[in-house]
Amino acid sequence: QVQLVQSGAEVEELGASVRISCKASGYTFMNYFLHWVRQAPGQGLEWMGIINPSGGGTTYARAWMGRVNMATDTATSTLYMELKSLRSEDTAVYYCVRESYTGSGSYLFWGQGTLVTVSS
Amino acid sequence: DIVLTQSPGTLSLSPGERATLSCRASRSVSSNKLAWYQQKPGQAPRLLILGASSRATGIPDRFSGSGSGTDFTLTISRLEPEDFAVYYCQQYDTSYTFGQGTKVEIK
Repeated sequence: QVQLVQSGAEVEELGASVRISCKASGYTFMNYFLHWVRQAPGQGLEWMGIINPSGGGTTYARAWMGRVNMATDTATSTLYMELKSLRSEDTAVYYCVRESYTGSGSYLFWGQGTLVTVSS
Repeated sequence: DIVLTQSPGTLSLSPGERATLSCRASRSVSSNKLAWYQQKPGQAPRLLILGASSRATGIPDRFSGSGSGTDFTLTISRLEPEDFAVYYCQQYDTSYTFGQGTKVEIK
């Protein structure tokens, strides 16, 4: 079965960077786009960006352009997201998600979430 | 970007009642590229509906989606105790955006 297993919680200082991983299994990694979605405490869902594991092409949401970098390691079927210059408002749960089927933009598969806490 | 506005913010209902949740888009969502998710505290969201009206795998038939263009609706025909949660709509026609959510709480 499809699984997305994310790395553990992180505590980072203001201005630092954080890198989260998401290991995929149970399907052909190259065949489905992957996204990152975040959720601040008590808030709604925000789309951060998309990556095509086949080729590595990315598109980022305007809000994070210049601060976010997404990458994949096809040898280990792992997705990475790095967020730089952390601000207090970056404290959130970050989810990696996989499209329901090739070319769909809906998300049938979700990682368990990674809590990133930005402290001063 | 397409802005999605969900209403009401909170819906207070009793088990067995019908829930009707609205999602309005700032401009037309083509090809009905709209999804609905359910989220319970401490859990990742769960996909309920895709393509505006197709139930995802394993979703009970008390959940139904309808609508097109700029107006979409999620209906829960008879609320079960496990249905009390927050619901989000998402469009994936032009980039990707979510509504702000509707909380369905026990009256």
